Amino acid sequence: GDSVTQMEGPVTLSEEAFLTINCTYTATGYPSLFWYVQYPGEGLQLLLKATKADDKGSNKGFEATYRKETTSFHLEKGSVQVSDSAVYFCARLSSGGSEKLVFGKGTKLTVNP
Amino acid sequence: EAEVAQSPRYKITEKSQAVAFWCDPISGHATLYWYRQILGQGPELLVQFQDESVVDDSQLPKDRFSAERLKGVDSTLKIQPAELGDSAMYLCASSLAGDQRGNTIYFGEGSWLTVV
Repeated sequence: GDSVTQMEGPVTLSEEAFLTINCTYTATGYPSLFWYVQYPGEGLQLLLKATKADDKGSNKGFEATYRKETTSFHLEKGSVQVSDSAVYFCARLSSGGSEKLVFGKGTKLTVNP
Repeated sequence: EAEVAQSPRYKITEKSQAVAFWCDPISGHATLYWYRQILGQGPELLVQFQDESVVDDSQLPKDRFSAERLKGVDSTLKIQPAELGDSAMYLCASSLAGDQRGNTIYFGEGSWLTVV
């Protein structure tokens, strides 16, 4: 079935470090792919998305490229800030036309000053 | 900016009691979702509505959970009786109907449930 696998956390970085959070998805069709961010005690916010192969989603310095050949959608940021500390979820739209999101387990990022 | 509204934000209830959560989606959004997020995990879909109709409730524990969206706008999720394992965040989300590839699903702030 549809699934998303993302790297286990937690991830701890110093401010201005480079961030990569890996995400792969099951190759059922060509789903839209998303990264959501969840700050402590809050709901999910859409960070970026890509709807077809080779698309690059970007927002707030974060980027992710839809790679069909490796079924991946890795999240990157060149220079993280303390305010980026949150839990990041990779997600795909399910196949079969039901238009629901299937999430990875989340990766907790802590950025230290 | 339009938001998905949820209430209450926090709820503590004793096991075997009833609890209800309310959601008001973004105006004009035909699709409404209820997700459950257990601490440390990703959200999982409980039920999906298209207007007032349920299109997916395969993961909803129907012996104790119920959901309705009577007029195709706001929605209520009920748990009766609550069990300790129901402690989680309950997230409501909504999206426009139609083009699956282009739609974005927007989430509310969530309702935290603690069952004691």
